[in-house]
Amino acid sequence: EVQLVESGGGLVRPGGSLRLSCEGSGFIFDDYAMHWVRQVPGKGLEWVSGISWNSGAIGYVDSVRGRFTISRDNAKKSLYLQMKSLRAEDSALYYCVKDFTQYSSNLNGDFDYWGQGTLVSVSS
Amino acid sequence: DIQVTQSPSSLSASVGDRVTITCRASHSIMTYVNWYQQKPGEAPRLLIRAASSLHSGVPSRFSGSGSGTDFTLTISGLQPDDFATYYCQQSFGPPRTFGQGTKVEIK
Repeated sequence: EVQLVESGGGLVRPGGSLRLSCEGSGFIFDDYAMHWVRQVPGKGLEWVSGISWNSGAIGYVDSVRGRFTISRDNAKKSLYLQMKSLRAEDSALYYCVKDFTQYSSNLNGDFDYWGQGTLVSVSS
Repeated sequence: DIQVTQSPSSLSASVGDRVTITCRASHSIMTYVNWYQQKPGEAPRLLIRAASSLHSGVPSRFSGSGSGTDFTLTISGLQPDDFATYYCQQSFGPPRTFGQGTKVEIK
C-alpha cells in the first residue's frame, strides 16, 4: 500500500522559514517524480513544485520560485520543501504527491497518490 | 500558464442520476487531463488519467472523454459515495493547473 506521510508544518511569522518533509513507502520511491500541491482549506488546489525521480528536472509555480526549494533523498525515501520568506498567502494544507509515470525525465504531473497533508499557517 | 475552467461550480443531483462535469482549457492540451475526487477532510483521489483512462480501483460508472480544449467527466448512476468535489487538472505544460472544482450535492 502506497503511503505518503508529511511533517513539518506549523505556525510561522511572515518572513519566516519552514521545512516540510514527506516519507514515502509501499512503492519504489527512487523511480517516480514527486510533487507538492497545496490547498487553502475550503478552496481549490494549486501545484507548488515538482522534482523528477533523479532530481534532474525541477519546477515551481511562479509565486514561490526563488523562495521555495524542493529536494529529495532517495536513500531515505524522502521529499522535502524548504520554504523561506513566507507570506500570509502561503498559508495552506501542503500535500506530498506521487507522480504516476515511472522513470519520467520530466515532471509529468499525473498525481496518483496523495498524503494527508501538513498545515502551514503564516501569521503575525 | 494554461487556464482550466470547470462548469458548473456546483450541482444538485439524486442517487441514480447521470452527472456530467465539463472542463475547458485555454489552449489545446491534447488529452493531458486528469480528474480527481475530493471528499471533506480527505486528500484528492485520482479517478481518470489522460482524459479517459480509468485509474486502478475506480468504479466503471466514472468515465472521461474529450481532447484539445474540451473535456467531460461523467458519472453514470450517481451513488451516495459520489457526493464530493471534483477537479480537473491539466498535465500538458508547467505549471500544472487545476480547475476551480465542482461540488456535487444531494438533491
